[in-house]
Amino acid sequence: EIVMTQSPATLSVSPGDRATLSCRASQSVNRKLAWYQGKPGQAPRLLIYGASTRATGIPARFSGSGSGTEFTLTISGLQSEDFAVYYCQQYNNWPPMYTFGQGTKLEIK
Amino acid sequence: QVTLTESGPALVRPTQTLTLTCSVSGFFLTTSAICVSWIRQPPGKALEWLALIDWNDDKYYSTSLKTRLTISRDTSKNQVVLTLTNVDPVDTATYYCGRIINCPLWTFDIWGQGTMVTVSS
Repeated sequence: EIVMTQSPATLSVSPGDRATLSCRASQSVNRKLAWYQGKPGQAPRLLIYGASTRATGIPARFSGSGSGTEFTLTISGLQSEDFAVYYCQQYNNWPPMYTFGQGTKLEIK
Repeated sequence: QVTLTESGPALVRPTQTLTLTCSVSGFFLTTSAICVSWIRQPPGKALEWLALIDWNDDKYYSTSLKTRLTISRDTSKNQVVLTLTNVDPVDTATYYCGRIINCPLWTFDIWGQGTMVTVSS
């Protein structure tokens, strides 16, 4: 099983600033890496897939980078609605054995 | 508009079988390259992938839970059903269903809001 490790567990950032979230895979997942935003009581929202492609309707302030085992989600110009939990997920295997990171909570500083 | 809606019991007793339903709209389960999966998240823990059913009705399961899981579909109702046998308090979680388009190349583009299940006597 591919283990996904996110850091930090909690990130405190001021509105308007930039947040940088990291995700590491225990083995290469190529670019089969997605980022999701989670809020209580809501459906998780796909932000990024293919490591760097923004999903439909996702603002340009969200950007993803990386390949292999190291990935980054950057959120520029943080807005109030961006404070949430962010998860990375790898989908490199078929038959599927999808795995997720434990999440990074982005909180208001 | 594409939606997925999970439903099922909020409380299940240990050793019982949990049955969850994912009702989908805005797409068809038999459309080529469409998959639907179940994922769960125990309180305070990471998301865990459980099972997937594809447009050909092929099924795939988490290695750790495959002996207890069954995924199926009712195309006439546009529903995907997950059963989990012999539940335990560690199965307490929010259960989500998610759609994958261009399966298996892509990942979950739309999720349901989830349904919280508590396993307790």
